[in-house]
Amino acid sequence: EAGVTQSPTHLIKTRGQQATLRCSPISGHTSVYWYQQALGLGLQFLLWYDEGEERNRGNFPPRFSGRQFPNYSSELNVNALELEDSALYLCASSRRGPYTFGSGTRLTVV
Amino acid sequence: GIQVEQSPPDLILQEGANSTLRCNFSDSVNNLQWFHQNPWGQLINLFYIPSGTKQNGRLSATTVATERYSLLYISSSQTTDSGVYFCAVQFAGNNRKLIWGLGTSLAVNP
Repeated sequence: EAGVTQSPTHLIKTRGQQATLRCSPISGHTSVYWYQQALGLGLQFLLWYDEGEERNRGNFPPRFSGRQFPNYSSELNVNALELEDSALYLCASSRRGPYTFGSGTRLTVV
Repeated sequence: GIQVEQSPPDLILQEGANSTLRCNFSDSVNNLQWFHQNPWGQLINLFYIPSGTKQNGRLSATTVATERYSLLYISSSQTTDSGVYFCAVQFAGNNRKLIWGLGTSLAVNP
């Protein structure tokens, strides 16, 4: 069974640009969760999608947005990038049970 | 308010030693999960354990929901056990949102 896949693994962007991160959940999982982990810190909840709908949102500005597609894959978009957006972005999937995480996308804003 | 507290925050062990990590939570839970994050950032789900005891090789976990704590036991530790161990809790009635502890950082020395 394929795990949760995230792409790209690394992304370097300039301040003010937009970044798009992608996540494919485990087959059969309908929920996708996005987290931000800044260097040396814990996980900060960003977004939860389930059955194509945004179900919950963390304490992040509106320039963090996303969507879930009919095949349950998901995109995270970050507009107007700021230096402090540099972090590891982790995606997890579940079907009302244990979370399985992808390997993450390391975003660097310069 | 809703809280998840982990202890100790840091732990250093010699290879072969045993250890116990603790997670205290402030309210009734729907589920509790233990994760290991390796030094490269990969998060692995160790246990999905809202109550009772589970074992997986050298690791075991016990959650006593009525007393609002969970324990993660690591026996015969190995250097590959190094990393950060997170406890994450879904509280009853909290719209399936996971609340994360700050983690226990474990270093196992050869």
